[in-house]
Amino acid sequence: AQTVTQSQPEMSVQEAETVTLSCTYDTSESDYYLFWYKQPPSRQMILVIRQEAYKQQNATENRFSVNFQKAAKSFSLKISDSQLGDAAMYFCAYRSGGGGGSQGNLIFGKGTKLSVKP
Amino acid sequence: KAGVTQTPRYLIKTRGQQVTLSCSPISGHRSVSWYQQTPGQGLQFLFEYFSETQRNKGNFPGRFSGRQFSNSRSEMNVSTLELGDSALYLCASRGLVGNTGELFFGEGSRLTVL
Repeated sequence: AQTVTQSQPEMSVQEAETVTLSCTYDTSESDYYLFWYKQPPSRQMILVIRQEAYKQQNATENRFSVNFQKAAKSFSLKISDSQLGDAAMYFCAYRSGGGGGSQGNLIFGKGTKLSVKP
Repeated sequence: KAGVTQTPRYLIKTRGQQVTLSCSPISGHRSVSWYQQTPGQGLQFLFEYFSETQRNKGNFPGRFSGRQFSNSRSEMNVSTLELGDSALYLCASRGLVGNTGELFFGEGSRLTVL
């Protein structure tokens, strides 16, 4: 079974600084997708960034980028120029790329609570 | 475009009762997934429905059930409530058939079991 581990329950960053959130996963599959979701205090989960396992290039979305190390099964999220609005719970998630009924099944890590200090 | 809507947002039940939660996906989305979120267990997958058929189910007891209607709206039901069922129940919808379909989440239904 696949597992996702986030080893940092809480992180703190100064506004305008850069912070990296860690995520490791375990799988025997070769086809899969990795995601970072953000859950602000209002509780609605929002997709931050997505990485397809078959792509070697790291995904980037504005101030958010990932460091995807497939061999090491590591998928960290870097937030540059942190803003107060970035404060939230961040969840790393895995989804099998296989067909059948697995497409909606995300496996989440326990989350990292990010605080941003003004 | 309206987002994923979940009702009710908050509810309190007592042990032994049953509860029904509702989820309206984004217009045009035909897939709806349900997750349970608790401080101890985190986010756990309950089940996914697509075109009124359950496609996948997580490791939850039979007290947890769901269904999807022809308009893609979904309901989940928990019977014989236990204290441990207290959680935030999240619904997510997906539009694309392909594997890259992003999940869009609702704000959740907060269930408290007394």
